[in-house]
Amino acid sequence: DTEVTQTPKHLVMGMTNKKSLKCEQHMGHRAMYWYKQKAKKPPELMFVYSYEKLSINESVPSRFSPECPNSSLLNLHLHALQPEDSALYLCASSPGLAGGREQFFGPGTRLTVL
Amino acid sequence: QKEVEQNSGPLSVPEGAIASLNCTYSDRGSQSFFWYRQYSGKSPELIMFIYSNGDKEDGRFTAQLNKASQYVSLLIRDSQPSDSATYLCAVNSGGSNYKLTFGKGTLLTVNP
Repeated sequence: DTEVTQTPKHLVMGMTNKKSLKCEQHMGHRAMYWYKQKAKKPPELMFVYSYEKLSINESVPSRFSPECPNSSLLNLHLHALQPEDSALYLCASSPGLAGGREQFFGPGTRLTVL
Repeated sequence: QKEVEQNSGPLSVPEGAIASLNCTYSDRGSQSFFWYRQYSGKSPELIMFIYSNGDKEDGRFTAQLNKASQYVSLLIRDSQPSDSATYLCAVNSGGSNYKLTFGKGTLLTVNP
């Protein structure tokens, strides 16, 4: 079952709100990712977790805070976002980092910041 | 700077035809290659991956890799209107490298 789930599907938040995005996979994958995608652009990598440890932070502003509670779950905590942060936020997982294995994306959360 | 280039399109083909999507990459050390299909407003869906030179077929899809020419392509046989989407080429340099480098995508339209 190649499925990654994400909640919520849509989120509207003000610039002073705190919210969280959630991602779950049950494929036994050991690497999980957060991407941001703006309209008509390819996904941009934000964070990579490998074996529940943060491996990569692609110089993402601190208003985005990732968390990996266990090997199946990945959260993205949002605080004091800006309107330009409005985008589709995608979670992905892969069997591991080594060997450049395939990544499977979840359905995404459409975020609007007012 | 690792780059992945695709024609942005749109590529328009009639129903039943073969659609040919092309991608070139700059990093000669790249080891794994992926094609994602993305419908408007949806997330990318992995449809093919290829690691070795040559062809790989899965149903109506064939991925072709030529590492010497740094070129990867996707052929869609018997194209259907439901194939209309943006196709993203993604390249990974392998080893412990985690990062997929995406092309900007090619918009394919299949006309009934």
